[in-house]
Amino acid sequence: GESVGLHLPTLSVQEGDNSIINCAYSNSASDYFIWYKQESGKGPQFIIDIRSNMDKRQGQRVTVLLNKTVKHLSLQIAATQPGDSAVYFCAENGAGNMLTFGGGTRLMVKP
Amino acid sequence: DTGVSQDPRHKITKRGQNVTFRCDPISEHNRLYWYRQTLGQGPEFLTYFQNEAQLEKSRLLSDRFSAERPKGSFSTLEIQRTEQGDSAMYLCASSLASGANTEAFFGQGTRLTVV
Repeated sequence: GESVGLHLPTLSVQEGDNSIINCAYSNSASDYFIWYKQESGKGPQFIIDIRSNMDKRQGQRVTVLLNKTVKHLSLQIAATQPGDSAVYFCAENGAGNMLTFGGGTRLMVKP
Repeated sequence: DTGVSQDPRHKITKRGQNVTFRCDPISEHNRLYWYRQTLGQGPEFLTYFQNEAQLEKSRLLSDRFSAERPKGSFSTLEIQRTEQGDSAMYLCASSLASGANTEAFFGQGTRLTVV
């Protein structure tokens, strides 16, 4: 498949380790954030979301942390698997559910 | 398959030609969005519809681009007089306007190459 992004920051982890992907946002008025996973040749896939009245939300193997003071989000993936290899984007969900995406991080999982 | 469907998946066209892409959203979703994604970047918003009304257009959407959603279901995105800079992945997404679950679901995209 074709590459989603050739010059993205890359995080390389060993299978079974935990992964942490970070994202900074600029709009202090943003109140809803979403993490997307994008595999090569595919559209972004919803992973987990968080609203600004929370600072942590957990899903299956994934946790999102929100620090509004420093305008920072992180996505934590527990026990990373080869199928987690992809590009990960954080997005601010604005008026009309229009999304403003961050720059993306490529996660590579070594077996 | 009840997800967002886009057609074609790939399109190669000569500079100056017109192209049209189609998006079929998830059937109960009343909002439909178009995004463009170039290599190494996140998707960038182009335009969105609520039902058949086009409510927002980005400054990225030049006058060579036009989008329609005539019956509030499928949408088309046309690019006239294509330029090499139009080469990108064009992504469609759909969502509900309100309710508990308003997250957007994306299609697989149409990869446009202008030669």
